[in-house]
Amino acid sequence: GDSVTQMEGPVTLSEEAFLTINCTYTATGYPSLFWYVQYPGEGLQLLLKATKADDKGSNKGFEATYRKETTSFHLEKGSVQVSDSAVYFCALPRNSGNTPLVFGKGTRLSVIA
Amino acid sequence: NAGVMQNPRHLVRRRGQEARLRCSPMKGHSHVYWYRQLPEEGLKFMVYLQKENIIDESGMPKERFSAEFPKEGPSILRIQQVVRGDSAAYFCASSPGGPETQYFGPGTRLLVL
Repeated sequence: GDSVTQMEGPVTLSEEAFLTINCTYTATGYPSLFWYVQYPGEGLQLLLKATKADDKGSNKGFEATYRKETTSFHLEKGSVQVSDSAVYFCALPRNSGNTPLVFGKGTRLSVIA
Repeated sequence: NAGVMQNPRHLVRRRGQEARLRCSPMKGHSHVYWYRQLPEEGLKFMVYLQKENIIDESGMPKERFSAEFPKEGPSILRIQQVVRGDSAAYFCASSPGGPETQYFGPGTRLLVL
C-alpha cells in the first residue's frame, strides 16, 4: 500500500540555519502530498501541500516540491526560528480520493537561539 | 468558523473503565476521521465515518473499540474496558468530502492507570 518514509530526528539547529527534512513516498498514481506540523501539546496543523507533480507548496517560509522522478517531497526552510520548534509529519492519502492519511513517523525539530 | 473541537482534552481512566471521546467537525464537514498517536510515533488511522455511516474501520482494533457519527451531535470514539496500552493521544480530523484537506482537532490525551 501507499507509504511514507521520513527522515528520523531529532534535528537540532541554531537559529537562522537552513532546514531540510527528507520525505519519500511509495504510491499508486500521483496523490496529493502534505506536510503537517505539531507544536507541543497541540494537534496537527496543515503546513503546506502539493496536488500534482512539480507543484511547490509553500507557507510561513517553508517550501516543498513534489518530485515525481525521485518520489520525494522534502521540506525546506532557509532560515529557521526558535518558534519553528515542533514535530513535522509528511503524509499522503492512502488511496485516491477522500481517504485516510498515511503519516511518516515525524521529525522533531529543535531550534536553539 | 470554529475549527474541529474535541473533548475532553485530557482523560484519565483506570483499567477496565470506559473512555468516551468526542469530536465535533468543522461546520459544513460531513467526513470524520479518527487517528491514534502513540508516544514518539506518527499518527495511525483508526476509522473513517460519514454521517450515520462507517466507511472504513480497517484501522480499528476488533474488540473494545467502536465509533459512531450520528445524524445529530458529535462523533464518538468509545473504548470499553481500557488497558494501559490504550494510553495515547487520539485525534479527530474532518473534511467536507472529496480529495480535500483534512483539518485536525487538538486531540484527547488518554491516560490509563
